[in-house]
Amino acid sequence: AQKVTQAQTEISVVEKEDVTLDCVYETRDTTYYLFWYKQPPSGELVFLIRRNSFDEQNEISGRYSWNFQKSTSSFNFTITASQVVDSAVYFCALSDRPGGSYIPTFGRGTSLIVHP
Amino acid sequence: DGGITQSPKYLFRKEGQNVTLSCEQNLNHDAMYWYRQDPGQGLRLIYYSQIVNDFQKGDIAEGYSVSREKKESFPLTVTSAQKNPTAFYLCASSTHDGVSNQPQHFGDGTRLSIL
Repeated sequence: AQKVTQAQTEISVVEKEDVTLDCVYETRDTTYYLFWYKQPPSGELVFLIRRNSFDEQNEISGRYSWNFQKSTSSFNFTITASQVVDSAVYFCALSDRPGGSYIPTFGRGTSLIVHP
Repeated sequence: DGGITQSPKYLFRKEGQNVTLSCEQNLNHDAMYWYRQDPGQGLRLIYYSQIVNDFQKGDIAEGYSVSREKKESFPLTVTSAQKNPTAFYLCASSTHDGVSNQPQHFGDGTRLSIL
């Protein structure tokens, strides 16, 4: 079973639209970490945010915001007023420690295409 | 500038040949990782190392080998036993404080194809 599910394979929007990328995770640990990364066409993954399981506060950074809800095991990512430069593949990742070490597991990614 | 350097950017492998992908970091990170990315598959962990001279298999280690003789270097060898090596390979590193999990820094990747 997938530990991190990104059900949206591809999302296409027009510039200035708001868009939400979904992430649902599965873990038995009480302490874990969640991440979002952006992969532009150049290929390198860029870190966006880290959340630990004890911090359910939502976070906003410019046009980006994240909604962490333990009750639904979700960590969704919203881009407000999307721009063409937001076009990329976005990955959600979970880091827990079933074997004693924190090892990240990535979702399959959501490809976001923002049209001008 | 601090970062992770992967080389080469593109690599071609002939049948029965072993090839080695280079990964070097100057971030003074203890932990290093190798991932394989296939279309629609996300990132899958091949090997990881949390300290010099020690490494662990990830989810898809078969057909691959690694070494960690220096803190800054973590080369990946794709052996002839890996029958489907065509993929995008990403190297990453992170600090490893033993308590919490820090974000990973990624290289630009190596695209490997079969001739």
